[in-house]
Amino acid sequence: AQSVTQLGSHVSVSEGALVLLRCNYSSSVPPYLFWYVQYPNQGLQLLLKYTSAATLVKGINGFEAEFKKSETSFHLTKPSAHMSDAAEYFCAVSGYSGSARQLTFGSGTQLTVLP
Amino acid sequence: NAGVTQTPKFRVLKTGQSMTLLCAQDMNHEYMYWYRQDPGMGLRLIHYSVGEGTTAKGEVPDGYNVSRLKKQNFLLGLESAAPSQTSVYFCASSSRQTSGNTIYFGEGSWLTVV
Repeated sequence: AQSVTQLGSHVSVSEGALVLLRCNYSSSVPPYLFWYVQYPNQGLQLLLKYTSAATLVKGINGFEAEFKKSETSFHLTKPSAHMSDAAEYFCAVSGYSGSARQLTFGSGTQLTVLP
Repeated sequence: NAGVTQTPKFRVLKTGQSMTLLCAQDMNHEYMYWYRQDPGMGLRLIHYSVGEGTTAKGEVPDGYNVSRLKKQNFLLGLESAAPSQTSVYFCASSSRQTSGNTIYFGEGSWLTVV
């Protein structure tokens, strides 16, 4: 069994400020963890993924996330927010269920960037 | 570079009508998925397929049927649409890797049932 909890359904930051989006997971097997971004009226785009290699994962658009096993967390950060970062962000955990790898998604965090 | 393509993008149905959403991928992926996205609930898996001719139920399969007659296509059917099926539907695909496979999503199909 696996689950994902994203703390904060809405996060607002000022342009240039630190972005921190929180994700905690539970998994009965070593997890693979993902962050996806969804811009308005578009599909999901992979930002980054953790697959048991380096615990600090760098993704596209300046985002990175750190896997912390002791805290069961995979928080997403970006040092300086840009207006174009405004979107909805989904954390997901991948396990092995049946015969196909499936993702369990969190409920999403809407990021607003204020000028 | 098409990736995952969904048709139609928008559709309005009356309660009780039927329709089919078509998903096509050009990446030769073995696995394909249909998700629905509802506000505050993230994405939930409806059905999935691990290969041509095979399908399986996901988290929320009731009211939907699927078929995978060709490797590149995955169809999602609603036999008798209900207002509760108003949602955004996403198709996705991935390769048959053993670890950390990336899932690629289509751009979504907005369905309203009135």
